[in-house]
Amino acid sequence: ETGVTQTPRHLVMGMTNKKSLKCEQHLGHNAMYWYKQSAKKPLELMFVYSLEERVENNSVPSRFSPECPNSSHLFLHLHTLQPEDSALYLCASSLSPPLVGADTQYFGPGTRLTVL
Amino acid sequence: AQKITQTQPGMFVQEKEAVTLDCTYDTSDPSYGLFWYKQPSSGEMIFLIYQGSYDQQNATEGRYSLNFQKARKSANLVISASQLGDSAMYFCAMRGGSQGNLIFGKGTKLSVKP
Repeated sequence: ETGVTQTPRHLVMGMTNKKSLKCEQHLGHNAMYWYKQSAKKPLELMFVYSLEERVENNSVPSRFSPECPNSSHLFLHLHTLQPEDSALYLCASSLSPPLVGADTQYFGPGTRLTVL
Repeated sequence: AQKITQTQPGMFVQEKEAVTLDCTYDTSDPSYGLFWYKQPSSGEMIFLIYQGSYDQQNATEGRYSLNFQKARKSANLVISASQLGDSAMYFCAMRGGSQGNLIFGKGTKLSVKP
């Protein structure tokens, strides 16, 4: 299944670096999401975009900056991260925005981020 | 507040046997959806099955079935005829609330023994 792709799959960065995570969905969906998965914690929703507009920001630190240039692409720009930001970052998409219908979210393979 | 509880951190099952993974939820919304996802070691979250709160029948998808008991607020996943490839983390999730976002449980690690 290559419906949702993420690059890179692995990333190691220092606390002063600036990097970006990329997500692309090939499903014709209208909503995209960023999740953070830390060890031994439930998935945490970070950002939601619906029709390229941000509709949810769950109190995420400003060192994480999302960008959604079109309905197929979603970026997460990273700068001055902390070691506790090391986690698996998952992108997902759904046909409809969260409040509309009961659409399933389809996930990408994730980017495993390590902050040194 | 909405909450998903998975009380089994890890489960073992013999190949070809059936296994039940527990999930209980808490919500005051009359309309909600329940999902199960599988996450192999590769990291990707794979959608398995969905149950709507108003669905009269339990959902089934191949070897997966969802034992939905609304009064008890439980949505257990049953995997029949386990295969070695079923070894993975399994997450229960609920969709509802004012924003309609997914809320995940902490997951259950299933290990299938040959």
